[in-house]
Amino acid sequence: AQSVTQPDIHITVSEGASLELRCNYSYGATPYLFWYVQSPGQGLQLLLKYFSGDTLVQGIKGFEAEFKRSQSSFNLRKPSVHWSDAAEYFCAGALKGDNYGQNFVFGPGTRLSVLP
Amino acid sequence: KAGVTQTPRYLIKTRGQQVTLSCSPISGHRSVSWYQQTPGQGLQFLFEYFSETQRNKGNFPGRFSGRQFSNSRSEMNVSTLELGDSALYLCASSLAGGARGNTIYFGEGSWLTVV
Repeated sequence: AQSVTQPDIHITVSEGASLELRCNYSYGATPYLFWYVQSPGQGLQLLLKYFSGDTLVQGIKGFEAEFKRSQSSFNLRKPSVHWSDAAEYFCAGALKGDNYGQNFVFGPGTRLSVLP
Repeated sequence: KAGVTQTPRYLIKTRGQQVTLSCSPISGHRSVSWYQQTPGQGLQFLFEYFSETQRNKGNFPGRFSGRQFSNSRSEMNVSTLELGDSALYLCASSLAGGARGNTIYFGEGSWLTVV
């Protein structure tokens, strides 16, 4: 079965420190991969997405993610965290192909806390 | 370009009642999906509609239903509400669905509390 896992439920970093959020996927083939962020009480906002090509993807708000096929991973990184980055982060995958019946599979999310 | 709009944003219902939530997708988007988000279960897929047809359905009881209109607007209905239905219900739209790599855009959600 297709799955997306995020091993860290909660991460705390100090403002200005670097950040890496982990995401692993399990699919029969390389899926489309996405990172979303959700602030408290809000919907999900797309940070970045990987379809193919360059394995290092740049997103909004200074985030980037690297796709590593050998590790089935798509980790999210940011060199310097701001207090406003405190939120819940979701990794998601969608299987490629013409099967319109497929939909996003979300990871369980990682809650990021930022210390002043 | 307007985003995905969900109404109402907040509502409180009593057990046994029914509720209808509405979603207006981004203009031009024909795929609308619904998700339930709870602290314990995370984001769970309810169903997806494309051109007024339900293409995919998650593992929810028949009390959860939906439909899509010719203008792509969608509604979901939950009948005979239970306390466990309290959740954030998120609507998402895309051009044709995630399988083609289309980005899925989310609304801000409808907070349902069942008392």
